[in-house]
Amino acid sequence: AQKVTQAQTEISVVEKEDVTLDCVYETRDTTYYLFWYKQPPSGELVFLIRRNSFDEQNEISGRYSWNFQKSTSSFNFTITASQVVDSAVYFCALSVFNTNAGKSTFGDGTTLTVKP
Amino acid sequence: KAGVTQTPRYLIKTRGQQVTLSCSPISGHRSVSWYQQTPGQGLQFLFEYFSETQRNKGNFPGRFSGRQFSNSRSEMNVSTLELGDSALYLCASSLGGTAMDTQYFGPGTRLTVL
Repeated sequence: AQKVTQAQTEISVVEKEDVTLDCVYETRDTTYYLFWYKQPPSGELVFLIRRNSFDEQNEISGRYSWNFQKSTSSFNFTITASQVVDSAVYFCALSVFNTNAGKSTFGDGTTLTVKP
Repeated sequence: KAGVTQTPRYLIKTRGQQVTLSCSPISGHRSVSWYQQTPGQGLQFLFEYFSETQRNKGNFPGRFSGRQFSNSRSEMNVSTLELGDSALYLCASSLGGTAMDTQYFGPGTRLTVL
């Protein structure tokens, strides 16, 4: 069975601080996919990134960066110079190869509050 | 490309009533999944449809049902509403609904049961 743990339930930072959201996953499969989604107060989950298990390269997109480490089963997300608009709930999700959409496992989410 | 749309956005019903929610996926996407999101339970998978067939079902009572039409649009129905059904219902579409496909979510329908 798969499991995704986002141990940080809530994080509060002041604007311009850097913040890292942790995601630890468990799976026995060797081929899998990891996702991050952002859910602003409006409710819609917005896709941020997908990473497959064979690609351990870190990714940077503007102020966002992701650190994927298979050795620690972690896929952490860092926001540099946070802004108020980054306030949202962030979800990490795991999908295992040869399963379909319904088998995705979502973490419980981390609520990030960025104060001005 | 237009995103996933869900209607209605907000709904207020009373216990015992039934409700139908609608989801239009991104053009070309054949898989539609439904999730229930509540503060206490997080995101919980309801069911997934692909080419008009239900492929997966979560652990929800039979009062929750769904269907998918030939144009990939999907509806979910909840009969005999209970107070605990109050939640944000999210629909997500993906190309083929495989593990590697990214799910794109709609804005959700917020259901309140009084």
